[in-house]
Order: sequence, then structure tokens, then C-alpha cells
Amino acid sequence: GAVVSQHPSWVICKSGTSVKIECRSLDFQATTMFWYRQFPKQSLMLMATSNEGSKATYEQGVEKDKFLINHASLTLSTLTVTSAHPEDSSFYICSAGPIRGTYNEQFFGPGTRLTVL
Amino acid sequence: ELKVEQNPLFLSMQEGKNYTIYCNYSTTSDRLYWYRQDPGKSLESLFVLLSNGAVKQEGRLMASLDTKARLSTLHITAAVHDLSATYFCAVLLIYSGGGADGLTFGKGTHLIIQP
Repeated sequence: GAVVSQHPSWVICKSGTSVKIECRSLDFQATTMFWYRQFPKQSLMLMATSNEGSKATYEQGVEKDKFLINHASLTLSTLTVTSAHPEDSSFYICSAGPIRGTYNEQFFGPGTRLTVL
Repeated sequence: ELKVEQNPLFLSMQEGKNYTIYCNYSTTSDRLYWYRQDPGKSLESLFVLLSNGAVKQEGRLMASLDTKARLSTLHITAAVHDLSATYFCAVLLIYSGGGADGLTFGKGTHLIIQP
């Protein structure tokens, strides 16, 4: 099956710093990747849709200037949390669908746990 | 706005028993997903249901989809402790132009199976 990786798997940073999280599709190409956030004991909430070669689409209430998304290639999307604050501490998970947009399967990465001190 | 409601949100049951988790959604969709999440881990795909009447089974888990009722069920047969986890259903909206939103998740069912 298709594999999606994320790096780093966990990160601890000081308040005010920026953190970059990478999401890679290892054995398939993905024109679209999705970024989700999950707070403890809660469900996953879609943050944004990352489209290769174009601007990301953000969900209502998600600050696009704070959560910068770049989808530079068909196998890599990055999420940068700028000027992170403790309330940004969360579990960030990306997903990707097969190229050609069949959307019959969603492949999730292992997640990145961000802790902001 | 698509809404996905899952119930129950918490379920404690004994090994050997049967139970069903329900997932209702508010907008027409023919792509319904079930995932398992263990503590501290990401999502494990269980089932992808693509059409009305779809039924899929894997081991002690069986999922079904009724698109007319906008309802999916995840049935657990003769539960065992290893099935303890949080289970999420999720719905995908696909646009006529070929694009799609990300998944909309239910709140999850925290399942504890006691020996």
C-alpha cells in the first residue's frame, strides 16, 4: 500500500519560534495533501488542503499567515507553524490521496507531535 | 456544512460481546471511511465504503453503508481486548468538477474491552 511519512515525529520548541513539518508520499504522487490537527482526546480537524503548484486552501478559523503550507512537488508538502505558542501544541497529521483524484483511499502519515513551551 | 455524528462516544464492554457503533452524516456522500487510532498513534485504515449497500468485513469487524439513510455502522463481533482503541468514521465530499475536500471526522468512539 501507499506510504506517507512525516518528519519530525515529535518536536519541542520555545514559544515564538517557527517549526517546519514535512509530509512525503513515498511511493506515489499526490497532487493533493491534507493537513489535520488533533488536540488531546478530540477528533481530527481539517486545517488546510495543499495543492501541488498552487496556494493552499485553509478552513475557516485557521490563520494562513500562521500556518504556512507549501506543496512544492508531487511528493512533498510542508507545514510551517510560525511564531508558535503553547496553544499550538497539538498532534499534526497529514494525508494524501492517489494522483488523478480518485479519492478512493486516504493515506495518513504517522503524525507529528508539537509541544510549545 | 457537512456534519458527522458518531455514537456512542464512549463504550466499555466485556470480551465476547457484540456491539455496534453508528455514524450519521448530514450531506449526500458515497465515500465513508472507518479508522482505528491507538493512543499516541496516527490513523489505521479499517474500511473504505464506496457505494450504497456496501458491506465489508475484516476479522471481528464489519462495516456497512446506507447512503439513503446517511448511516454507516461498525459492528464488533465477540470482542477481544486487542480491539480496544478509538474508532473514527469520516466522510468525504467530492465535487462535480473532480475536486474534493478533506475528510470530515466524527468525534470518535473510545472503546474499552475488558477481559
